[in-house]
Amino acid sequence: DAKTTQPPSMDCAEGRAANLPCNHSTISGNEYVYWYRQIHSQGPQYIIHGLKNNETNEMASLIITEDRKSSTLILPHATLRDTAVYYCIVRVGPGGSQGNLIFGKGTKLSVKP
Amino acid sequence: GAVVSQHPSRVICKSGTSVKIECRSLDFQATTMFWYRQFPKQSLMLMATSNEGSKATYEQGVEKDKFLINHASLTLSTLTVTSAHPEDSSFYICSADGQGFRETQYFGPGTRLLVL
Repeated sequence: DAKTTQPPSMDCAEGRAANLPCNHSTISGNEYVYWYRQIHSQGPQYIIHGLKNNETNEMASLIITEDRKSSTLILPHATLRDTAVYYCIVRVGPGGSQGNLIFGKGTKLSVKP
Repeated sequence: GAVVSQHPSRVICKSGTSVKIECRSLDFQATTMFWYRQFPKQSLMLMATSNEGSKATYEQGVEKDKFLINHASLTLSTLTVTSAHPEDSSFYICSADGQGFRETQYFGPGTRLLVL
């Protein structure tokens, strides 16, 4: 079973920031938080991951709470092409035996003009 | 970098025939590859994990004799759906893991299988 909880759907206006929450209250000390998204009829796309510090890349920012029990993915300026299902996944991170990704139901983000 | 391809992108076959799907890591070596299946309006479900040069590990409920997996090289894994039936119609997706130096799994574009 997935170790994360996400809202089933969210709407966002084009050009505004999209903030996608994720709860992972049972996360272990050696588990990272990964975010993927899946645009309709495509394979999942890696977005970002983090352990405890906030992370930012060209796609998004990841904010992890100090107790690591929840996180938020931020798309700073959402576009229509960001409409997708976003998956928050926790698992052991780089450098070791990483294992498979367990996908929950994710959040369906709809970006509207 | 980190490109994974799948071939074919979609396939239609008759019931009872076998279908082979290829998954390739184009710019890195993948010691481990994963095969997922996704039915309409559902999330991805892991079918099996394949390690280069060894037998695949199948998830509970996945028939290893029906879904044959071969991972003969560090850049290629194949999934063969044997004696396909209409209930095998699904979206099959592979991912590749570069063992540490690659920070995560990268997914192929998926293969849409329709069994008539």
